[in-house]
Amino acid sequence: AQSVTQLGSHVSVSEGALVLLRCNYSSSVPPYLFWYVQYPNQGLQLLLKYTTGATLVKGINGFEAEFKKSETSFHLTKPSAHMSDAAEYFCAVSDHYGGATNKLIFGTGTLLAVQP
Amino acid sequence: DVKVTQSSRYLVKRTGEKVFLECVQDMDHENMFWYRQDPGLGLRLIYFSYDVKMKEKGDIPEGYSVSREKKERFSLILESASTNQTSMYLCASSLGAAGDRETQYFGPGTRLLVL
Repeated sequence: AQSVTQLGSHVSVSEGALVLLRCNYSSSVPPYLFWYVQYPNQGLQLLLKYTTGATLVKGINGFEAEFKKSETSFHLTKPSAHMSDAAEYFCAVSDHYGGATNKLIFGTGTLLAVQP
Repeated sequence: DVKVTQSSRYLVKRTGEKVFLECVQDMDHENMFWYRQDPGLGLRLIYFSYDVKMKEKGDIPEGYSVSREKKERFSLILESASTNQTSMYLCASSLGAAGDRETQYFGPGTRLLVL
C-alpha cells in the first residue's frame, strides 16, 4: 500500500531564503507523485507532478521537485521564498493501478511561514 | 480551466440534522471525490465515484453517504450530523480512463461546524 510522510508540520523561512519541504513515499509500484498548495480558506491547487520521464519537475510559482527513487523522496524546493508562498503544502502519491479511478494518498501537510 | 464549485463556503448545523454538501464540476470529468481535512491529519477520502450512480467507499465512510445522479454533480450527505463531523470538506474531480486521470482538481471547500 502506498503512503506519504511529510517531515515537519511547520517550516519557517526568511523572505529570500531557500525553501525545502520534505516528502518521502512508500509504494509497491512506480509512483506518481504530486505537490499541492493550499492558501488560507481555499481549496488545493496543483503545484507540480511527476509521472514518468525527467526526474526534476518544474511547477508553478518557481517551485520544483526531484524524484529520487533510491531515497524514495520527492522534496519540494524554491530558491528564494516570497511572502506570498506562505501556505500549506501537501505531498501525495497516486494509486494508479486501480483501474480508471486513481486515488491520491496525501501526507499530513507542511505549513510554510515566511518571515519578512 | 477546470472549475469545481461547492454549494457553501461555511455551514453551521445542529447535531442530528441531515446535511447536504453539493459539488459541481464543469469539465465532464468521470471521477469525483469527497475528502475531509482536519489539522494534523491531512486529507482523508470519504467516498468517490467513477460514473453516474456509481460510488465506492474511501477510508472513512462511516456516518456519510453520497449521491451521483448526474455526471457533473456529486453530493455528500450527513444523515445525522454529529459534532465529530465538524471539519473542512473538499470536493475534487479527475478525468477517467481516457485522459490524465491522476490529476485531481479541487473545489474551494466547505467549512462545516456542527453544534
